Amino acid sequence: GAVVSQHPSRVICKSGTSVKIECRSLDFQATTMFWYRQFPKQSLMLMATSNEGSKATYEQGVEKDKFLINHASLTLSTLTVTSAHPEDSSFYICSAPRGGLYYEQYFGPGTRLTVT
Amino acid sequence: AQSVSQHNHHVILSEAASLELGCNYSYGGTVNLFWYVQYPGQHLQLLLKYFSGDPLVKGIKGFEAEFIKSKFSFNLRKPSVQWSDTAEYFCAVNAGGNTGKLIFGQGTTLQVKP
Repeated sequence: GAVVSQHPSRVICKSGTSVKIECRSLDFQATTMFWYRQFPKQSLMLMATSNEGSKATYEQGVEKDKFLINHASLTLSTLTVTSAHPEDSSFYICSAPRGGLYYEQYFGPGTRLTVT
Repeated sequence: AQSVSQHNHHVILSEAASLELGCNYSYGGTVNLFWYVQYPGQHLQLLLKYFSGDPLVKGIKGFEAEFIKSKFSFNLRKPSVQWSDTAEYFCAVNAGGNTGKLIFGQGTTLQVKP
């Protein structure tokens, strides 16, 4: 089946530094990918839609300058958390729809970010 | 704004018991509905989905869900749970066009005792 990977699975960084998280579709191409954030014991919250070859679309309340998204190829989207602070600590998950099936999404395993 | 509500946050059952997890959404237009499962240490996987047609949909591993439009509900059911069903269950809605955006419920933790 379709597989979406994320790297790294866990990252610890110091406050003020930037962290890049990669999301890859391993056996299919994805012109669109989605980034979610999940707080402990809470649901997934959609942060942004990553579009290959164009700017990402951010959900209301998500700072585009803080969460930089780059969709450089049909199999890779990156999320960079800039000038990270402890409140950015969270579980970040990406997803990608396969082919034209916008309603059949495959999720990555997530990245646990801890900012100290 | 669209929202999804899951009524049960933590459910504990014994093996062979029946399961029903509630899910309600708020959106007046056409919706696509999903149930995802997240086993411990694994990524989210699709259990089943509803797009149109028969409101009773069957998914993997013996799960099914019924879409009741008048109640804005999409409850998940399984007649007899197994220990391996222990996981986190998420209801999700895609509404408002071909965007692929999913709105998730809060999730329900299911613990099945052997």
